[in-house]
Amino acid sequence: GAGVSQSPSNKVTEKGKDVELRCDPISGHTALYWYRQRLGQGLEFLIYFQGNSAPDKSGLPSDRFSAERTGESVSTLTIQRTQQEDSAVYLCASSLGGDSRVQPQHFGDGTRLSIL
Amino acid sequence: LAKTTQPISMDSYEGQEVNITCSHNNIATNDYITWYQQFPSQGPRFIIQGYKTKVTNEVASLFIPADRKSSTLSLPRVSLSDTAVYYCLVAGNQGGKLIFGQGTELSVKP
Repeated sequence: GAGVSQSPSNKVTEKGKDVELRCDPISGHTALYWYRQRLGQGLEFLIYFQGNSAPDKSGLPSDRFSAERTGESVSTLTIQRTQQEDSAVYLCASSLGGDSRVQPQHFGDGTRLSIL
Repeated sequence: LAKTTQPISMDSYEGQEVNITCSHNNIATNDYITWYQQFPSQGPRFIIQGYKTKVTNEVASLFIPADRKSSTLSLPRVSLSDTAVYYCLVAGNQGGKLIFGQGTELSVKP
């Protein structure tokens, strides 16, 4: 398919473990975003990559969270020493450019993370 | 960043037109208004975007008054499959960052 792909779709892990979430954006999309969605809530911005520019990390909730992107392709979101409050759906989106006014974001279906 | 306010929930019946209004009193001159739809266990999906007056596509219409302090998403003749959460966002050029509120949970009944 040509959509944004995220893996795994579900992840259950014990408190204190590290987790790595993967996002494959739509080919040709230069911008990539990560969001977090807690149960019954709206989306919470985490981090944004645009081309070769420095990422906007302003939404990362703590230094346990980090993300990388290789060129204009795959991105991984890593959460170290997971805590129960990290339980949420983590959504990735990509767009043709970084101007959200005119370039809609295309979302994957997310990774549902559960911390025991 | 402009804050948006929209009803938490709405009910409708199949075949009816549904209008969801969003308030964004502190919208900036270069902000656009965008609506997304989200089904359970899926990521949000772009519906429509506009700057002023009226925009229409195959899915919905978006009405924006002259002062741009509110907008109304209009879904014609809804069906059960339109049951979803609808998010109103105001997006300026903040490097792509989108600010989602809690959205409006639309429930369409037979």
